Amino acid sequence: QSVLTQPPSASGTPGQRVTISCSGSNSNIGSNTVNWYQQLPGTAPKLLIYNNNQRPSGVPDRFSGSKSGTSASLAISGLQSEDEADYYCAAWDDSLRGVFGGGTRLTVL
Amino acid sequence: EVQLLESGGNLVQPGGSLRLSCAASEFTFSSYAMNWVRQAPGKGLEWVSVVSGSGGTTYYTASVKGRFTISRDNTKNTLYLQMNSLRDEDTAIYYCARGLVTGTTRVSAFDIWGQGTMVTVSS
Repeated sequence: QSVLTQPPSASGTPGQRVTISCSGSNSNIGSNTVNWYQQLPGTAPKLLIYNNNQRPSGVPDRFSGSKSGTSASLAISGLQSEDEADYYCAAWDDSLRGVFGGGTRLTVL
Repeated sequence: EVQLLESGGNLVQPGGSLRLSCAASEFTFSSYAMNWVRQAPGKGLEWVSVVSGSGGTTYYTASVKGRFTISRDNTKNTLYLQMNSLRDEDTAIYYCARGLVTGTTRVSAFDIWGQGTMVTVSS
C-alpha cells in the first residue's frame, strides 16, 4: 500500500490530453513539493516534473504538473506513442522519509 | 557525462548480508545528498534511504531501519548500502539516485539515476 495514491492505469489516443492524479496528506503533498517520474520498460526512472510544475531541461512542454492542497496532477497534452510508460509521483514526508505513489501505467491506444 | 553506476547485487539467502556500491562521476559528489530507491519485480518504486552530502545525516524507510546502513566515501565518489538480515521482501532492483537540490536531504526530486543492480533474496 503506497503512501501516495495514483490510479493504476490511464489511457488515451494520439493527440489527446490525459491527466494522472496523485493524492496524499498534509504530511507529504500538503507541506512539500511534488515530483513526477516517467519509467519506460526496462529502464531507470527519469525526472519529468519537479517542484510541482517545473520541467527539467529536455522535457517537452507537453508535460505539465500542478498541485492543490494534498493532491497533485500530471497532464500530458498531444499524447504520443512514446509516452506509453509508467508514471510515478513522489514527495518528501514530514516523518523524514521519501514517499512514492503506486504508479500509473499509461497506454496509448 | 554525469553518471552513476551501481554494483554489488547478487543472490543471497534469507538472513544474509550484501553491500551495494554506487560510483559517481563528472559532478561534485560531496555537494549532493544521495539516495537509494528500490523496485521489486513487477512493482512500483520505493524510497529506501538518503545520506547528506557530508554523510552526517541519514534517513531510512521503516522496513529497513536497523538492518540497512547508508554511507558514502567522498574521497572515492562512492555511495554504499550495507544490507544485513535480508528478507525475501528485499528482493528488488536497487537504484542510486542524486538529489536535485544541493544542501538538503529532504527532497524527493532525483535528477540522476543509475542503471540499477539486482538483489535476490532466496533460499
